[in-house]
Amino acid sequence: EADIYQTPRYLVIGTGKKITLECSQTMGHDKMYWYQQDPGMELHLIHYSYGVNSTEKGDLSSESTVSRIRTEHFPLTLESARPSHTSQYLCASSERTGGINEQFFGPGTRLTVL
Amino acid sequence: AQSVAQPEDQVNVAEGNPLTVKCTYSVSGNPYLFWYVQYPNRGLQFLLKYITGDNLVKGSYGFEAEFNKSQTSFHLKKPSALVSDSALYFCAVGRGYSTLTFGKGTMLLVSP
Repeated sequence: EADIYQTPRYLVIGTGKKITLECSQTMGHDKMYWYQQDPGMELHLIHYSYGVNSTEKGDLSSESTVSRIRTEHFPLTLESARPSHTSQYLCASSERTGGINEQFFGPGTRLTVL
Repeated sequence: AQSVAQPEDQVNVAEGNPLTVKCTYSVSGNPYLFWYVQYPNRGLQFLLKYITGDNLVKGSYGFEAEFNKSQTSFHLKKPSALVSDSALYFCAVGRGYSTLTFGKGTMLLVSP
């Protein structure tokens, strides 16, 4: 079944640790996105990609980095986690053709940095 | 620059009554408009979209939205609310090549 997956779902980690949030999709989509969302609040786009080897920064400045080596995989990395990074991170994907298409979201990773 | 406004933080409605969740937008050119729903501890689920054509768009779970160009609005509606519709609803407008700008969200609470 075509879907979008995020792991881990929940992560509690200490300050200064390096973390990677995984996002994979089996939908065959070229475009992928990362959003940051505080609970019950609006979404802020932090990174997006049009396809392999394409990465762009979003609206919200983020200390995280992303890579897109494979179409289906779009991991997000924090080199040194801080309490200010505590948030929910949502990954999404969409088709490339036909203009602006709806985005399909993963279940999210809730990150807590102590 | 594109923007979306959801003027209500929360909407309360009794089960069986019609519901409306409001959204207004600002965009240059033709708008691409979307509604999403988010249940607790979940990602967003796509409900419906407007690109062109009929001003009344039908979507998932019995929801529909009415596009009004003169009022720059895209309100989400449902004729008869269910308790299970209680969730956080986001309106979004498409911009650039592919990205979306989301509103702040409206919490819908449907009482039994």
